[in-house]
Amino acid sequence: GAVVSQHPSWVICKSGTSVKIECRSLDFQATTMFWYRQFPKQSLMLMATSNEGSKATYEQGVEKDKFLINHASLTLSTLTVTSAHPEDSSFYICSARDPGLAPVNEQFFGPGTRLTVL
Amino acid sequence: KNEVEQSPQNLTAQEGEFITINCSYSVGISALHWLQQHPGGGIVSLFMLSSGKKKHGRLIATINIQEKHSSLHITASHPRDSAVYICAARRNQFYFGTGTSLTVIP
Repeated sequence: GAVVSQHPSWVICKSGTSVKIECRSLDFQATTMFWYRQFPKQSLMLMATSNEGSKATYEQGVEKDKFLINHASLTLSTLTVTSAHPEDSSFYICSARDPGLAPVNEQFFGPGTRLTVL
Repeated sequence: KNEVEQSPQNLTAQEGEFITINCSYSVGISALHWLQQHPGGGIVSLFMLSSGKKKHGRLIATINIQEKHSSLHITASHPRDSAVYICAARRNQFYFGTGTSLTVIP
């Protein structure tokens, strides 16, 4: 099956620093990648949708200047949390989609990255 | 009100029991997904369905489009089934339920 990896799996950083999270599709080309955030005991919330080679589309309430998304290749998307603060501590999950895979529009989820900002 | 409601929120079962998790949604959808989230947070997509019923091993998922309702069943439950099960309704985007935390006791 299609595999999506994330790196790092967990990260602890100081307040004010920037953190980059990578999402890779390992055995398929992901024309679209999605970034989600999950706070403890809450459901996943979509942050943004990125299509390869174009700017990401952010959901309402998500600051695009704070959460920088780059989808420069068909197998890699990055999420950079800039000037991280403790309230950004969360579990960040990416998913990837390849319209060429059957069934169409299936999404494959990465294992997630746990960010803790001190 | 959430677009997707799941019940129960928490479920404890004895090994071997038949388990049902319910999902109701209020939006028109193109597909409904059942996801499994393990304690470490990783998510696995179990089913994607738009009508009828699908079966994979001990897992069965059903959907009734008219009633906007889906169920996930686990037969002969096992401790390794312990996880959070999330229902997600897809329209142009995903609408996620809050999840059902399942604990199967040996």
